[in-house]
Amino acid sequence: SQQGEEDPQALSIQEGENATMNCSYKTSINNLQWYRQNSGRGLVHLILIRSNEREKHSGRLRVTLDTSKKSSSLLITASRAADTASYFCAAASQETSGSRLTFGEGTQLTVNP
Amino acid sequence: DAEITQSPRHKITETGRQVTLACHQTWNHNNMFWYRQDLGHGLRLIHYSYGVQDTNKGEVSDGYSVSRSNTEDLPLTLESAASSQTSVYFCASSPGYIYGYTFGSGTRLTVV
Repeated sequence: SQQGEEDPQALSIQEGENATMNCSYKTSINNLQWYRQNSGRGLVHLILIRSNEREKHSGRLRVTLDTSKKSSSLLITASRAADTASYFCAAASQETSGSRLTFGEGTQLTVNP
Repeated sequence: DAEITQSPRHKITETGRQVTLACHQTWNHNNMFWYRQDLGHGLRLIHYSYGVQDTNKGEVSDGYSVSRSNTEDLPLTLESAASSQTSVYFCASSPGYIYGYTFGSGTRLTVV
């Protein structure tokens, strides 16, 4: 079963607006990551937030993490048409020699010019 | 520049045939992963490796196998292809659990 579950499944906004995507996960994590996927392409890593962090920023991206609620959110500010893509959260479980990521089903973001 | 490459990009095969998908990375990452992506299921982990000679099963490993004889390569083999294995396959690598993954561009496999 999927560890991460995104909400909403699809989001359509106008250029310049903010986009917020939410993610819930089920078990204890080492960190939570967000990825972007353009149509027909591989996933691209956007940002990683560790379990002891509550908020992290990177450019127009802001990620929050609430481990008590097992949830995270990704905010994209001042969206652009080029932000149109699918966004996935991925929960990282800690193992002795590495970490597997369990992905959610993604949020399809459409930014209209 | 370091990269991770998958080949072929597209493949059509017949039911029952053995198929091998290649994944090659020049990042010198110890950790490598294979996922499949299907509508309605997101990405699901097939197999993964944390180093040479190490392989582990993921959540959807039935009908698939991998081997890791060097750091750079993690080929994925479908022992006897089935129509249910029609999917897009992604390979990824990572230096460790506090880092993100680097993904390949994917292989679209169709089993007819």
